[in-house]
Amino acid sequence: QSVLTQPPSVSAAPGQKVTISCSGSSFNIGNNSVSWYQHLPGTAPKLLIYDNNRRPSGIPDRFSGSKSGTSATLGITGLQTGDEADYYCGTWDNSLSSGVFGGGTKLTVL
Amino acid sequence: QVQLVESGGGVVQPGRSLRLSCAASGFTFSSYDMHWVRQAPGKGLEWVAVIWYDGSHKYHADSVKGRFTISRDNSKSTLYLQMNSLRVEDTAVYYCARDPLLGSDWYLDYWGQGTLVTVSS
Repeated sequence: QSVLTQPPSVSAAPGQKVTISCSGSSFNIGNNSVSWYQHLPGTAPKLLIYDNNRRPSGIPDRFSGSKSGTSATLGITGLQTGDEADYYCGTWDNSLSSGVFGGGTKLTVL
Repeated sequence: QVQLVESGGGVVQPGRSLRLSCAASGFTFSSYDMHWVRQAPGKGLEWVAVIWYDGSHKYHADSVKGRFTISRDNSKSTLYLQMNSLRVEDTAVYYCARDPLLGSDWYLDYWGQGTLVTVSS
């Protein structure tokens, strides 16, 4: 059971928009910044969002992040088949004194 | 360019030990916190451990605390994970990753390709 809760799966059609939620607590998301990662099988995870809503260079603005209270959200617009992957949120947990990831969300682009 | 190359994975029996290495290049290794993250077959990413840039602080996940130890040699630009008392449930691909933030807040901007550890009798 992950400390951060994500929906197991989401789906949408090409060109549409999807959001992926990440729910935590005051011990983690509520007091620390959130990052988001895209993971394709057999490859290294890729950083999409850091510091809640900042995109590294090279990440298109179709990807966005937000945080409110103890929850964070990843948004992806203009969905492409190449976006099919697993997505993870991550942050620090002050109570556990450890990093934590969400359980992951599998995105299907129908 | 930034490169992280893990090594040391393999097949090991339960209860035995293994040491993973992560060779870093293309950046000033001693200026970055470093993490280990793993993914068991069919499971999600699991954070394993972090070590601060100067080795002064180390934190481990509860699932590995007391069995795994993260360390680093800044003179060799290498990160390590000493894994003792291995269990079947430690079977996973282990990734090392770079963290540009100093301190407990973190994000991982570069990752290695991973090394597979299989614990089986």
